[in-house]
Amino acid sequence: KAGVTQTPRYLIKTRGQQVTLSCSPISGHRSVSWYQQTPGQGLQFLFEYFSETQRNKGNFPGRFSGRQFSNSRSEMNVSTLELGDSALYLCASSGRQGNTEAFFGQGTRLTVV
Amino acid sequence: QQQVKQSPQSLIVQKGGISIINCAYENTAFDYFPWYQQFPGKGPALLIAIRPDVSEKKEGRFTISFNKSAKQFSLHIMDSQPGDSATYFCAASISAGNMLTFGGGTRLMVKP
Repeated sequence: KAGVTQTPRYLIKTRGQQVTLSCSPISGHRSVSWYQQTPGQGLQFLFEYFSETQRNKGNFPGRFSGRQFSNSRSEMNVSTLELGDSALYLCASSGRQGNTEAFFGQGTRLTVV
Repeated sequence: QQQVKQSPQSLIVQKGGISIINCAYENTAFDYFPWYQQFPGKGPALLIAIRPDVSEKKEGRFTISFNKSAKQFSLHIMDSQPGDSATYFCAASISAGNMLTFGGGTRLMVKP
């Protein structure tokens, strides 16, 4: 059974640009969550999607957005990139909503220069 | 506001020893407490999880102890091995969704 797949693995973008990251969950999983990991702030929740609906949102500015498609694949978008957006962005998938095992992908390492 | 506090930030243990990592939470609505292990360049991997209706859960060399009244939980790694050297994160969530609140992480080094 394939795990959570995130693409691309690495990205370098310039300040002011926008970026789109992709996540394919484990087959059959309907919940996808996104997290930002930085040395200073640790792992922080961005948002969660379940059956194409955003269920929860973390404390991030509106520049961070996401969506989920009917096949459960998800994308997150960051507009007007700032240097502080440099981080490892992790996607996690779960079989259903609420207190279930979350399986993480290897992440996308975004560097903003 | 950090809702899950984790200690220590780093830990060095001799091979065969016991590694102990502690976490404390503030939100009494939390009802799911997982531990994750992360190696460099990899995403976090679920190790073991507990719900507040039990005080202890053991899986192999890994044990979670849970103290609901103190709002604390801990991870014990018995017979620690060099391969256990990684960063460990505790987390907590509320049953309404899959939003995990993570502790700050503990970098464990097991010396041979």
